[in-house]
Amino acid sequence: AQSVTQPDIHITVSEGASLELRCNYSYGATPYLFWYVQSPGQGLQLLLKYFSGDTLVQGIKGFEAEFKRSQSSFNLRKPSVHWSDAAEYFCAVGARYGNKLVFGAGTILRVKS
Amino acid sequence: DVKVTQSSRYLVKRTGEKVFLECVQDMDHENMFWYRQDPGLGLRLIYFSYDVKMKEKGDIPEGYSVSREKKERFSLILESASTNQTSMYLCASSPRDYSQSYNEQFFGPGTRLTVL
Repeated sequence: AQSVTQPDIHITVSEGASLELRCNYSYGATPYLFWYVQSPGQGLQLLLKYFSGDTLVQGIKGFEAEFKRSQSSFNLRKPSVHWSDAAEYFCAVGARYGNKLVFGAGTILRVKS
Repeated sequence: DVKVTQSSRYLVKRTGEKVFLECVQDMDHENMFWYRQDPGLGLRLIYFSYDVKMKEKGDIPEGYSVSREKKERFSLILESASTNQTSMYLCASSPRDYSQSYNEQFFGPGTRLTVL
């Protein structure tokens, strides 16, 4: 069965500092991996996804993520955080041609000025 | 612009009431989903539907049922609401296109349900 672990429940970073949110997955086959962001009072928005090919993927809002098969990880990064990045971030894993996703518990990002 | 709407942003109900949560998408998507979101647990799939009148149980279907009579509308029903069903409910939709290996899910804004 698929599963996703986001080890950090809360992270606080200063505006302008770099950010890395951790995600580890468990899946028997080649995973399809996603990061979603949920701003307060909003639904989820897709930041980026990995299917195959280049293991470093670029997303919206200046985010990127790197797939590391050997570590079963798909960590999200941003070089310089803005106050508007404060939100909850979810990592998810899905199966090829599948309809369903399995989500991690989420990481709440706080940005301090 | 793609759009998934949910009938209420906030809802307060009493224990034992029958509760309907409605979701409508305007993208002609085949797949629709209902998730429950709780702090520290992320999103958990309650039910999903891959076509009109078709449904499949997700990970936590107990206490819930669904209805999909039209392609654009997917309803979540709490037959007899209980306090442990107080939560945020998110609806999502996605196309079913077998030429692509994955089809993105688009989410509604959520309904925060409180059961007293």
